[in-house]
Amino acid sequence: TQLLEQSPQFLSIQEGENLTVYCNSSSVFSSLQWYRQEPGEGPVLLVTVVTGGEVKKLKRLTFQFGDARKDSSLHITAAQPGDTGLYLCKGGSEKLVFGKGTKLTVNP
Amino acid sequence: NAGVMQNPRHLVRRRGQEARLRCSPMKGHSHVYWYRQLPEEGLKFMVYLQKENIIDESGMPKERFSAEFPKEGPSILRIQQVVRGDSAAYFCASSPSSVLANTGELFFGEGSRLTVL
Repeated sequence: TQLLEQSPQFLSIQEGENLTVYCNSSSVFSSLQWYRQEPGEGPVLLVTVVTGGEVKKLKRLTFQFGDARKDSSLHITAAQPGDTGLYLCKGGSEKLVFGKGTKLTVNP
Repeated sequence: NAGVMQNPRHLVRRRGQEARLRCSPMKGHSHVYWYRQLPEEGLKFMVYLQKENIIDESGMPKERFSAEFPKEGPSILRIQQVVRGDSAAYFCASSPSSVLANTGELFFGEGSRLTVL
């Protein structure tokens, strides 16, 4: 089983701060996705990264795929309350397994 | 709304009753996945189905749980003789082709929340 470890498990910050959350595995993935889930709703796909070392930006969110395609990070600049949610990573196509997620709370 | 549709959104059952959760995938999607989520936890894979076929049920409990995706109609996750531990949010996702053959992107419904009294 390819396990995905996400850290930190919980993160509570003030509006305007920067943060980084991580998704790590001992296995190599052909691709990796990040999803955000808001309370009471289903997860929504944010991005897919495919190439080792790839960096993708989505407004204030920056996603990076590790060179060895075993890990990924999500950096949020100037966090806003609307960024609050559970951030989940999923290893591409090899397995239908998600990490346990990072629960982010951005306080106004 | 062309998204993944799940119903009911909320379901209350007493111990021993049956729960049936339905999922209509996005238009054009023929692959359906069911996940279970407990409060404050991530998504736990249960089963992956294609029309009329179960592709992977490695995450499904061996007893009381079953899933189908008939040629016509929605996919159904069925839980027989529910127990309190079955209380959870059940999410359905769909994809246009097998996630095992592409980058693996899933499109989720808003979930069905089962409460067992």
